[in-house]
Parts: sequence; structure tokens; C-alpha cells
Amino acid sequence: QVHLVQSGAEVKKPGASVKVSCKASGYTFTSYGVSWVRQAPGQGLEWMGWISVYNGNTNYAQKLQGRVTMTTDTFTTTAYMELRSLRSDDTAVYYCARGGPLTASSTPDAFDFWGQGTMVTVSS
Amino acid sequence: DIQMTQSPSSLSASVGDRVTITCRASQGISNYLAWYQQKPGKVPKLLIYAASTLPSGVPSRFSGSGSGTDFTLTISSLQPEDVATYYCQKYNSAPWTFGRGTKVEIK
Repeated sequence: QVHLVQSGAEVKKPGASVKVSCKASGYTFTSYGVSWVRQAPGQGLEWMGWISVYNGNTNYAQKLQGRVTMTTDTFTTTAYMELRSLRSDDTAVYYCARGGPLTASSTPDAFDFWGQGTMVTVSS
Repeated sequence: DIQMTQSPSSLSASVGDRVTITCRASQGISNYLAWYQQKPGKVPKLLIYAASTLPSGVPSRFSGSGSGTDFTLTISSLQPEDVATYYCQKYNSAPWTFGRGTKVEIK
């Protein structure tokens, strides 16, 4: 069965960086994209970006361009999301999800499996 | 970017009622529309994809319809376990925008 297991909660100061991991199992890691979604307290879902595990192509939400980097390690079947220059409004639960297209030109998939979420708190 | 407008933002209905949530895209997205259910304190769950396809295990009281710009999620007979926030999402191309959500409560 498909599992996405994320790293634990983080508390960071403004200006710092955070890197969240997402360990995938139960499927062929390189056959699906991985997307990242965040949810601020009491708010809705915000798509952050996508990475093709197949070829490393990425597409980031415009508001996060320059601050976010998504990567994967196919040997450990782990996806990573790093967010830099953290601000208080980055406080949120961060989710990884299997979904998006395999490559930029592939038919896209909905987000069918999700990680358990990682709480990132940004506070001085 | 294409905007996704969901309505209503919240609703309260009785057990057994038929519930309908709508989602409108600002431009056509064919049938690349998904619905997610997020129960309080839980992880979002894929409820419907390709506008009307239910993944395995989703109860048949849930259904989706629409194509192009206008989409609907219907719960044919609301159950207590359906209390949740429901989100639509376009996934034809980036950005894969979510709607703002519809909170469903029991009256």
C-alpha cells in the first residue's frame, strides 16, 4: 500500500530555513510526480509546487518563487521541500502528496495519496 | 491564472438531506477537476477525480459532475461522518489551484 511519511514538526525563527522530507513507499517512486501543499491555521489548502521525480523538473507557485526548492532522492525514495527566509505567515501544516504529472508534458494526476503533514511554526 | 470559486462557503443540513456544492473555474479546464474531503484535524482525502470518478472505497452517495467551467459535488444522503470541509482543485496545468472550501455541518 502507498505511504508517504513526513518528517516531524519544526520551530524556526524568522529568516531561517526549513527542509521537510517525505518518504514514499508502496509504489514506483519515479512513475509519479510529487506535489507540496500547505495549510495555515484555520485556512484552506494552498498549492506550493510540484516536482517530476522522473526528470527533476519543477513548477513553483509564483508567490514562493525564489524561496522554495523541491528535490527528490530516487535512491531513498524521498522528496524534500526547502523553504528559506521564513516569515510568520509561513506558519502552516505542510503536506506532500502524490500527484501532478509525471513530466511537464504528461497527463496530470489528482493528488491521490497524502503525507500526514508537518507543522512548521515560525516565531521569534 | 485560473481562479476556482466554490459556493457556498458553508452549509448546514440534516442527516439524509441531499447536499450540493458548486465550483466554477474562471476558464475552461476540461474535466481536470478533483474534490477533496478534509475532516477536522485530518489529512485531505481524494474524493473525486476527473470531475466524476470516485476512487476505490469512496461511498457511492458522493458524486461529481461537470466539465469546462462548472462543476458540482453532490452528497445524495448526508451522513454524520460527512462533516468536513470540501475543496475543489483544478489540475489541468500549473498552478494546481484549490477552491476556498465549503464547510459542511449537520443541522
